[in-house]
Amino acid sequence: GAGVSQSPRYKVAKRGQDVALRCDPISGHVSLFWYQQALGQGPEFLTYFQNEAQLDKSGLPSDRFFAERPEGSVSTLKIQRTQQEDSAVYLCASSLAPGGNTGELFFGEGSRLTVL
Amino acid sequence: DAKTTQPPSMDCAEGRAANLPCNHSTISGNEYVYWYRQIHSQGPQYIIHGLKNNETNEMASLIITEDRKSSTLILPHATLRDTAVYYCIVRVVYSGGGADGLTFGKGTHLIIQP
Repeated sequence: GAGVSQSPRYKVAKRGQDVALRCDPISGHVSLFWYQQALGQGPEFLTYFQNEAQLDKSGLPSDRFFAERPEGSVSTLKIQRTQQEDSAVYLCASSLAPGGNTGELFFGEGSRLTVL
Repeated sequence: DAKTTQPPSMDCAEGRAANLPCNHSTISGNEYVYWYRQIHSQGPQYIIHGLKNNETNEMASLIITEDRKSSTLILPHATLRDTAVYYCIVRVVYSGGGADGLTFGKGTHLIIQP
């Protein structure tokens, strides 16, 4: 497809389990963003990649959260030892130009994580 | 913290124009106004953006006041599919190219009534 693809769409994890969420950005898009959206709230920034370089990870809530984009295309957000407060929708967005430029960010449909 | 203020919710009758206000009184000279919307269970979708002039595209119109401290997004003929949360975002764009990411607030939940 032509859009941003995220998988899995839904993930249920037991507290303490590790999870990995995948993002396939639009082909050729340089910039990639991860956001976390709690129920009833707007998306909150987690981290930003320009190609394979992680230029900003200031939004990652703890050292249990780790993101990578080793070949500058597909990205994975990993959450170790999940906690109930990690339950949220995780959104990935990509943009053609570095830093997002003035153009739009294209968002995937998100991965909904529920931690029991 | 988000730099914009929006009403938490609004209703609009189907077929009428929906006018969504946004205050951004601390906007700086290199910040653009962006609007995104998020339909239930989907990711946010870009609508429109502008600096100081009014803008129009196939989805909406954006009216920015002369002092740039507020703006209004106009959906000219709202349909039921326009029911969504609408986010007004101010975003730094650098003169040499490149821009900051998006900082979302809570947005306005627009409900289109049949």
